[in-house]
Amino acid sequence: QIQLVQSGPELKKPGESVKISCKASGYTFTDYAMHWVKQAPGKGLKWMGWINTYTGKPTYADDFKGRFVFSLEASASTANLQISNLKNEDTATYFCARSGVYYGLFEYWGQGVMVTVSS
Amino acid sequence: DVQMTQSPSNLAASPGESVSINCKASKSISKYLAWYQQKPGKANKLLIYSGSTLQSGTPSRFSGSGSGTDFTLTIRNLEPEDFGLYYCQQHNEYPFTFGSGTKLEIK
Repeated sequence: QIQLVQSGPELKKPGESVKISCKASGYTFTDYAMHWVKQAPGKGLKWMGWINTYTGKPTYADDFKGRFVFSLEASASTANLQISNLKNEDTATYFCARSGVYYGLFEYWGQGVMVTVSS
Repeated sequence: DVQMTQSPSNLAASPGESVSINCKASKSISKYLAWYQQKPGKANKLLIYSGSTLQSGTPSRFSGSGSGTDFTLTIRNLEPEDFGLYYCQQHNEYPFTFGSGTKLEIK
């Protein structure tokens, strides 16, 4: 069955960096785009962007340009999200989500990774 | 960006009842509206896409309707496992945007 398994929770200080992984299984990794979605505590879902898993080309939503990097380890069917120079407002759960029949559709989701930024 | 306005924010109903959740887009998104369910400890679940197409595995008591700017998710004959958070999302154009969510609780 199709699964997206994300790495564990992270506790970081402001200014540090974090890298979150999303390992896919049950399908051909390069056949579908991978999206990233942010959910701040008690808030709704916000699309961060996506990465073309065939070419490796990332696309970032405007609010996530600069400190956010999407990358791949295609041989390991893994997508990564790295956030640098962490700020308190980066405290959130970060989800990876695989596209579906339309690339803007989130057909399968990871379980989410809670990143806490606190001094 | 397309703003998605979802209502109501909270909804309380009893098992067996029917409920509707509304989603309004700030401009036409044709039919490209999806609905998701979020529950603690479970992966988010795609229920419906393209306005009314049920994702494989979505029970038939769920239905979606609408096009253009106004959409509705209807759940008939509520089951205990249906309680949770529901989000709409437009998948018509960048950036993909979500509604603010509806919390469906047991009355």
